[in-house]
Amino acid sequence: AQKVTQAQTEISVVEKEDVTLDCVYETRDTTYYLFWYKQPPSGELVFLIRRNSFDEQNEISGRYSWNFQKSTSSFNFTITASQVVDSAVYFCALRPPKAAGNKLTFGGGTRVLVKP
Amino acid sequence: EAQVTQNPRYLITVTGKKLTVTCSQNMNHEYMSWYRQDPGLGLRQIYYSMNVEVTDKGDVPEGYKVSRKEKRNFPLILESPSPNQTSLYFCASSLGWGDTEAFFGQGTRLTVV
Repeated sequence: AQKVTQAQTEISVVEKEDVTLDCVYETRDTTYYLFWYKQPPSGELVFLIRRNSFDEQNEISGRYSWNFQKSTSSFNFTITASQVVDSAVYFCALRPPKAAGNKLTFGGGTRVLVKP
Repeated sequence: EAQVTQNPRYLITVTGKKLTVTCSQNMNHEYMSWYRQDPGLGLRQIYYSMNVEVTDKGDVPEGYKVSRKEKRNFPLILESPSPNQTSLYFCASSLGWGDTEAFFGQGTRLTVV
């Protein structure tokens, strides 16, 4: 069975602070895929990043960075120098290979509130 | 523009009144799914389809039906809605297995009173 845990339900920061969102997953598969999605207040889901289990390189995209550690089954997400526009709910998701219906298993989400 | 379109965006209905939420994608994707989003639970898959006329239950299928008569459309049907189906619903499509990105619709916020 697959499971994704985002232990932080809500994080509040002041603009320009860094914020790290934790994501811990459980799977018996040796190959799997991890994703992060952003849900701004308008409600749509915006794809941020995908990572496969064989690629443990960390990734940076502008102010966003991701730290994948297979040894601890974690795929954490950091926003550097946060801005008000980063206020959103962020979801971590897991997909095993050949998942029925290509299903994504989502964590419960972390709401980030960036105050000016 | 590649997109998944859901309608309506907002819907308030009464218990027992049949409703359909439409979903259409223009990317020729084979895989389509419906998810519901509830606070603290993230998104959970309701039903999915791997191609035309091929559908199957996801994790929370009770009270829902789907059909896939055309590749682009995947409507979600609530034959007799109940208050516990009040939720935010998303349709998603993807091209293939594995690490392919899932494209999501804008969401449909359903309230059943």
